[in-house]
Amino acid sequence: TQLLEQSPQFLSIQEGENLTVYCNSSSVFSSLQWYRQEPGEGPVLLVTVVTGGEVKKLKRLTFQFGDARKDSSLHITAAQPGDTGLYLCAGGGWNNAGNMLTFGGGTRLMVKP
Amino acid sequence: DVKVTQSSRYLVKRTGEKVFLECVQDMDHENMFWYRQDPGLGLRLIYFSYDVKMKEKGDIPEGYSVSREKKERFSLILESASTNQTSMYLCASSLYTGAFGTEAFFGQGTRLTVV
Repeated sequence: TQLLEQSPQFLSIQEGENLTVYCNSSSVFSSLQWYRQEPGEGPVLLVTVVTGGEVKKLKRLTFQFGDARKDSSLHITAAQPGDTGLYLCAGGGWNNAGNMLTFGGGTRLMVKP
Repeated sequence: DVKVTQSSRYLVKRTGEKVFLECVQDMDHENMFWYRQDPGLGLRLIYFSYDVKMKEKGDIPEGYSVSREKKERFSLILESASTNQTSMYLCASSLYTGAFGTEAFFGQGTRLTVV
């Protein structure tokens, strides 16, 4: 089983601060996805990165896929209370039945006003 | 708008009961998944299905079974519920597109408590 480790597990910051969340593995993934989950809801996709070294920006969020496709980071600039939630990374790969996602343990972010 | 619907938001069941969790998707997706989510452990895959009547075990299938009689519906069955199956259960679906990971669409989750 491929494993994805996220750090930190918990993060509590003030509005306006910057933060970075990390997602690491010893395995290579064909793609890396980031999801955000709000309380009482299922995760929702934020971004998919598929090329080693790829950087994608989504407003104040910057996602990077490592050159070796084993790790990824999510950077949030000037965090806002609306960014509060659980952030999950998921690595894409294959098993004998098709394309699969392996999820990390998640980073719970709280942004205080 | 894409939709994955789980039949219940909250369930309370007794130890030893047979429990059915239902999931329906309206996107004509081939792949459907059942995960359980526990604090600090992320999402762990219980079972998945890549076609009607096809099923594959995930990482933690013990104590669970599944049924996929129609493409849009994927059911998770707890044969004899136990307290260690108290958890949030998430259903997801995705389109089969090849080697690269595709977006998984999730239901809102079912919080199951076994007493």
